[in-house]
Amino acid sequence: KQEVTQIPAALSVPEGENLVLNCSFTDSAIYNLQWFRQDPGKGLTSLLLIQSSQREQTSGRLNASLDKSSGRSTLYIAASQPGDSATYLCAAPGAGSYQLTFGKGTKLSVIP
Amino acid sequence: GAVVSQHPSWVICKSGTSVKIECRSLDFQATTMFWYRQFPKQSLMLMATSNEGSKATYEQGVEKDKFLINHASLTLSTLTVTSAHPEDSSFYICSARDLGAPTNYGYTFGSGTRLTVV
Repeated sequence: KQEVTQIPAALSVPEGENLVLNCSFTDSAIYNLQWFRQDPGKGLTSLLLIQSSQREQTSGRLNASLDKSSGRSTLYIAASQPGDSATYLCAAPGAGSYQLTFGKGTKLSVIP
Repeated sequence: GAVVSQHPSWVICKSGTSVKIECRSLDFQATTMFWYRQFPKQSLMLMATSNEGSKATYEQGVEKDKFLINHASLTLSTLTVTSAHPEDSSFYICSARDLGAPTNYGYTFGSGTRLTVV
């Protein structure tokens, strides 16, 4: 059964800093890995999807990497802004499955 | 892009009543939709997999008689919380994948429903 772990659980940084969020998963036979953003009391917004054949994916100030062999993914946020404050969730399916398993998330606070 | 609409966004109900939550894929067809529950400060936990035209598959520990799922069409799945109790208060979110997308395409999530049982 897939297990997803995110570190750290919470992170507070001053505006403008670059930061890295970490995600690890136990079952490396995945189709893809997805990063989401969740604002308080809201649903999920998909940020980046990395396919199993890819090593990284970029969207604006966000860059996600995937290392299937080590069971790790990172989300890099460049030049952080207060509007980036939210909880970031990493999710991966299990082997041969489309059911997503979520990590507990990293709550990011960007201080102006 | 693919859009999933979920309604209502929030609902307050009395203990013992039933509440229905709708999840619609607006611009794509989905034979499979997923229902998640999220307790405060916790991550999303998969409750059940909703399959169009057949019975839902429930995760271990989820009462199928309490959480009724109906997936009557390729664009609509409903979750009914029956005889709701305060411990059912939670954030419920659905998701779906575009059938026409490549197999390694990601999932789209609804905006969630905040259920409060008083």
